[in-house]
Amino acid sequence: DQQVKQNSPSLSVQEGRISILNCDYTNSMFDYFLWYKKYPAEGPTFLISISSIKDKNEDGRFTVFLNKSAKHLSLHIVPSQPGDSAVYFCAAKSGGTSYGKLTFGQGTILTVHP
Amino acid sequence: DTGVSQDPRHKITKRGQNVTFRCDPISEHNRLYWYRQTLGQGPEFLTYFQNEAQLEKSRLLSDRFSAERPKGSFSTLEIQRTEQGDSAMYLCASSRQGPYNEQFFGPGTRLTVL
Repeated sequence: DQQVKQNSPSLSVQEGRISILNCDYTNSMFDYFLWYKKYPAEGPTFLISISSIKDKNEDGRFTVFLNKSAKHLSLHIVPSQPGDSAVYFCAAKSGGTSYGKLTFGQGTILTVHP
Repeated sequence: DTGVSQDPRHKITKRGQNVTFRCDPISEHNRLYWYRQTLGQGPEFLTYFQNEAQLEKSRLLSDRFSAERPKGSFSTLEIQRTEQGDSAMYLCASSRQGPYNEQFFGPGTRLTVL
């Protein structure tokens, strides 16, 4: 039962353009969403998060959008840089639980070409 | 740098052997998590500690797996009688207490069971 899905295994973008990574979820109890970036041989690195009471959160070149009615979130990277090439995971947490177990999607490999 | 550290980074073992991994969280974090990641998948939650108390265990954590955090600082994850299906990246993460704090991941321990 895949509660968090990233349906695009890979994305290729030209340097300077926008990268849009998508994520869908099925559990309506999820109330906090995070994006992580992972380079080979390293653990995931936290990028940006959004609470379900918001529909947008920005941090520099990274913006996350949340559409609760569609159970969909997206990560926008503008402008994309070659150093952004990595695997991106979205993750979600259920409300009402205090321990913060994260449920991850399968990941999207982003390649930014110079 | 006082990030999450894991030891060893790589472990190759023969089927049937026992292995133990160590995780040292960020010092001021009282929550510690273990995840497992297999090829092409996102991290999957295994277990969680708040201080020294193990508060949640996933169904993925069979009887052959045991985790401890004896003094509320570092944690160990032991796998007894390893099987080839145990081959994966084992990730440790830590966070502050609170429902909306991001988890910081270590570099992981890559286990290969021959």
